[in-house]
Amino acid sequence: DAKTTQPPSMDCAEGRAANLPCNHSTISGNEYVYWYRQIHSQGPQYIIHGLKNNETNEMASLIITEDRKSSTLILPHATLRDTAVYYCIPYKWGGSEKLVFGKGTKLTVNP
Amino acid sequence: EAQVTQNPRYLITVTGKKLTVTCSQNMNHEYMSWYRQDPGLGLRQIYYSMNVEVTDKGDVPEGYKVSRKEKRNFPLILESPSPNQTSLYFCASRPGQGAYGYTFGSGTRLTVV
Repeated sequence: DAKTTQPPSMDCAEGRAANLPCNHSTISGNEYVYWYRQIHSQGPQYIIHGLKNNETNEMASLIITEDRKSSTLILPHATLRDTAVYYCIPYKWGGSEKLVFGKGTKLTVNP
Repeated sequence: EAQVTQNPRYLITVTGKKLTVTCSQNMNHEYMSWYRQDPGLGLRQIYYSMNVEVTDKGDVPEGYKVSRKEKRNFPLILESPSPNQTSLYFCASRPGQGAYGYTFGSGTRLTVV
């Protein structure tokens, strides 16, 4: 399984963009990068995923570097409800179906 | 509403008393998984299932059993619970085809005394 490195915590002002980085330098060619978040002790919530290209959905944008060794999750206009722990997870579907949750980044959105 | 439903949400039980945590999804998903979450250890996979009657162990299967007799249900069984199984449990599901994300349930907080 690819290892990931995320900053333990970040702060963001409400209404501003939150940019959460993830280093996954050992990711293999067929592993996607998935992002999930967990608000307090609720069930993790899927946000977005990508393989090579940048992706955008209604929740966020995902920027993946050309060498695929790192990615950035962007919440364009953070709200207080975006305060959560964000997990970057390399994942190859068709394998063991195991999501390896690291420690993630605790994002605090401040008013 | 598409969802994964776990029951109960909270449970306090005594050591050795068999219990079942139910998980049901209404999205016709093939893949289902159970995770436990503990402070300092994060989320760890207990068991997963890729379809009816197809289950396999995750990282921490000891002390747990699962079954997948129907596509929508994936119960977690603790035959003889012990205090070290006190934890927050999550069930999750996703479609079998395609690189989709998992949908997680709201969690079951289990305390074994």
